[in-house]
Amino acid sequence: DVKVTQSSRYLVKRTGEKVFLECVQDMDHENMFWYRQDPGLGLRLIYFSYDVKMKEKGDIPEGYSVSREKKERFSLILESASTNQTSMYLCASSLVYEQYFGPGTRLTVT
Amino acid sequence: GQQLNQSPQSMFIQEGEDVSMNCTSSSIFNTWLWYKQDPGEGPVLLIALYKAGELTSNGRLTAQFGITRKDSFLNISASIPSDVGIYFCAGENSGGSNYKLTFGKGTLLTVNP
Repeated sequence: DVKVTQSSRYLVKRTGEKVFLECVQDMDHENMFWYRQDPGLGLRLIYFSYDVKMKEKGDIPEGYSVSREKKERFSLILESASTNQTSMYLCASSLVYEQYFGPGTRLTVT
Repeated sequence: GQQLNQSPQSMFIQEGEDVSMNCTSSSIFNTWLWYKQDPGEGPVLLIALYKAGELTSNGRLTAQFGITRKDSFLNISASIPSDVGIYFCAGENSGGSNYKLTFGKGTLLTVNP
């Protein structure tokens, strides 16, 4: 079974803090993705990576950056958290098209 | 950007009823996927479809890849309370240039016992 884990299920941060969300997959997948999920807006792609040290912007990259130093780990960074980044963050990995998701991190920025 | 129109947005049904939901697009897709998301959890892959006209079952779930390649359907037979959740369709049409998916906005299913 594919396993995708995320570092925290719930996180509360203050405006202006730097926030790191970590994602680890154990299936040697090339591709990894970060999404945010908001009511009524569905899943929106923030960034994705198709290889170590490679990254591409998704649909809403503003305010975020990513890091992929090892194949199994993909980190999402909020350089200076803002209240409009309060959301559910989902990480996924894939070999080809079938994406497997982690349990999500519910981030609240106050 | 591309969009997948998923309908209905929500459904309220009685336990034992059958359910049908669909996803349509103005663009052709090469792959269709269906996911279920339980409250507070990440989406879980239910069914993947790779060929136009393909019909695939997974227990009480059946999904079809539309013959026009612009739509897909998911049916759930004899619903049970644990079927509650959000069902998402997702499609791929990059032709292999990348592995991004386009997601529908989901169908919220409520099952009354």
